[in-house]
Amino acid sequence: KQEVTQIPAALSVPEGENLVLNCSFTDSAIYNLQWFRQDPGKGLTSLLLIQSSQREQTSGRLNASLDKSSGRSTLYIAASQPGDSATYLCAVENHNRKLIWGLGTSLAVNP
Amino acid sequence: NAGVMQNPRHLVRRRGQEARLRCSPMKGHSHVYWYRQLPEEGLKFMVYLQKENIIDESGMPKERFSAEFPKEGPSILRIQQVVRGDSAAYFCASSPPKSTDTQYFGPGTRLTVL
Repeated sequence: KQEVTQIPAALSVPEGENLVLNCSFTDSAIYNLQWFRQDPGKGLTSLLLIQSSQREQTSGRLNASLDKSSGRSTLYIAASQPGDSATYLCAVENHNRKLIWGLGTSLAVNP
Repeated sequence: NAGVMQNPRHLVRRRGQEARLRCSPMKGHSHVYWYRQLPEEGLKFMVYLQKENIIDESGMPKERFSAEFPKEGPSILRIQQVVRGDSAAYFCASSPPKSTDTQYFGPGTRLTVL
């Protein structure tokens, strides 16, 4: 049974810091892995999608890596800004098309 | 091309009433997925539908919950005789028939049961 774990559960950093969010999964037979952002009481914004055959994806200040064999992904945020404050969710998609979600990392970037 | 649409965005029901949540997928998308986010919990898969077919309902509670995706019209998630524990955010996603495409999410419906 696929399980997704995100560490840390919460993170508070000063503005400008580079930071890394971690995601691990127990079953390496994934179809893809996706990072989402969720603001309080809001919907889900897809940030980066990494197919199982890929190692990383980049979008602006965000970089996500995938090591399928070890069951790990990291989301790197460069030069963090207060507007980055949100909950970041990691989800893996198995071949049955279900998304299995982590509990998220709640990020606060302080001005 | 409009994104995935969900309505209502907020729904308040009293215990025992029925809740109907609607999801209109993106144009050209024939696959719909429903997920539930309970307070202080992660998102959980509920059901995966294609037009007129339920593909996987392994995440649906055994009673009171049902889902459909008719040939015409939106997908409906129906909760009968709601209880306080049904209060949650319900997200719908859609994807095209091609299996390599990702799921696109709607804004969610927040259900509050009084």
